[in-house]
Amino acid sequence: NAGVTQTPKFQVLKTGQSMTLQCAQDMNHEYMSWYRQDPGMGLRLIHYSVGAGITDQGEVPNGYNVSRSTTEDFPLRLLSAAPSQTSVYFCASSLQTKTFFGQGTRLTVV
Amino acid sequence: GENVEQHPSTLSVQEGDSAVIKCTYSDSASNYFPWYKQELGKRPQLIIDIRSNVGEKKDQRIAVTLNKTAKHFSLHITETQPEDSAVYFCAASPSGNTGKLIFGQGTTLQVKP
Repeated sequence: NAGVTQTPKFQVLKTGQSMTLQCAQDMNHEYMSWYRQDPGMGLRLIHYSVGAGITDQGEVPNGYNVSRSTTEDFPLRLLSAAPSQTSVYFCASSLQTKTFFGQGTRLTVV
Repeated sequence: GENVEQHPSTLSVQEGDSAVIKCTYSDSASNYFPWYKQELGKRPQLIIDIRSNVGEKKDQRIAVTLNKTAKHFSLHITETQPEDSAVYFCAASPSGNTGKLIFGQGTTLQVKP
């Protein structure tokens, strides 16, 4: 039981490049979400999903896309990376309101 | 939408003293309030949570209180130890959606030996 697994752990992108942050959970949780963490701003919700095939926007969705084709996976796509997207990204899954986080992806956009 | 304010942003205490961190929320429909501890370079870890039908919850040296009328909740750590040093985040979950948490800005707690 690995919990919530994110890949990669570190990534450097050039402005304008695209990439997908992967997230998988093996706990059969219905709810999954993506957060970004910036210094002094806590964690801000990007997108979330209440089940396979259902996604919705969080507080800061612009520049990011998500899809949820299976219960286990919830990838986050950056279509055209910008320096403002430099951050630490956390994927999370939730069961009965308790939310558990992956180990994070540190993304730098240059 | 929900907004969560957390104070103080930094807190320094002597080992053995108590520490209190306070949060206020704006959406009266929020019904779940977790607290997370995050050590440097690590993921946030759930340490305690409380639901809106409960006023207080305790787990060893950690307790959380909730005042629904005033829309604020607090984390209390007693007999602090150096290993309690970390960043603490409060959060609120709007009613009906358990995958959505709105976080406070965080409190950096330093426990001096």
